[in-house]
Amino acid sequence: QTVVTQEPSLTVSPGGTVTLTCASSTGAVTSGYYPNWFQQKPGQPPRALIYTTSNKHSWTPARFSGSLLGGKAALTLSGVQPEDEADYYCLLYYGGAGVFGGGTKLTVL
Amino acid sequence: QVQLQESGPALVEPSQTLSLTCTVSGGSLSSGYYYWSWIRQPAGKGLEWIGRIYTSGSSNFNPSLKSRVTISVDTSKNQFSLKVTSVTAADTAVYYCARNNGAGSGPAYWGQGTLVTVSS
Repeated sequence: QTVVTQEPSLTVSPGGTVTLTCASSTGAVTSGYYPNWFQQKPGQPPRALIYTTSNKHSWTPARFSGSLLGGKAALTLSGVQPEDEADYYCLLYYGGAGVFGGGTKLTVL
Repeated sequence: QVQLQESGPALVEPSQTLSLTCTVSGGSLSSGYYYWSWIRQPAGKGLEWIGRIYTSGSSNFNPSLKSRVTISVDTSKNQFSLKVTSVTAADTAVYYCARNNGAGSGPAYWGQGTLVTVSS
């Protein structure tokens, strides 16, 4: 059973920078896993932010960026806004089948 | 702008089959090269990827659910569907349908979700 691991929680100050990571139990994450990132606020469906490691959707704010970092997929928020407080999920694909990470609860404090 | 809306019974009895439909508007299900996906989320928990079907009809499934899940497309109604057989309380969740945004993209456009409770 493939497991995708994210930090359970992180805290960042308004205006600060934070990096969330996404690790695979199978080894280093590469772009071949098509890393995707999503933001979810309470009572709402997830909102897609990043696909294939670092590509942004047309609606993705510029302060969000994706990369590969130390064998993991990473989502960096620069100049964090209070409205960025949410749960963040990564999604990796293994031979066509997707696996979500457990999510990171980001607190802006 | 494509929009998706889930529909189906809110309550399903244990051991029965859960059936949901996703109606697509703002775009044709049969045009383009898209994946149509189902994802679920138990209350207070994380997202679980269920499976997806490609415009061509090919599909991929979560290995842990594969034996119980069917995803199909009805292009005449611009809908795609999910069936989960032999449900238990563990299948209680909000179910989302979604579409990707082109090559390499995961689910980009999401429905609002529909809560399905498995209970007698």
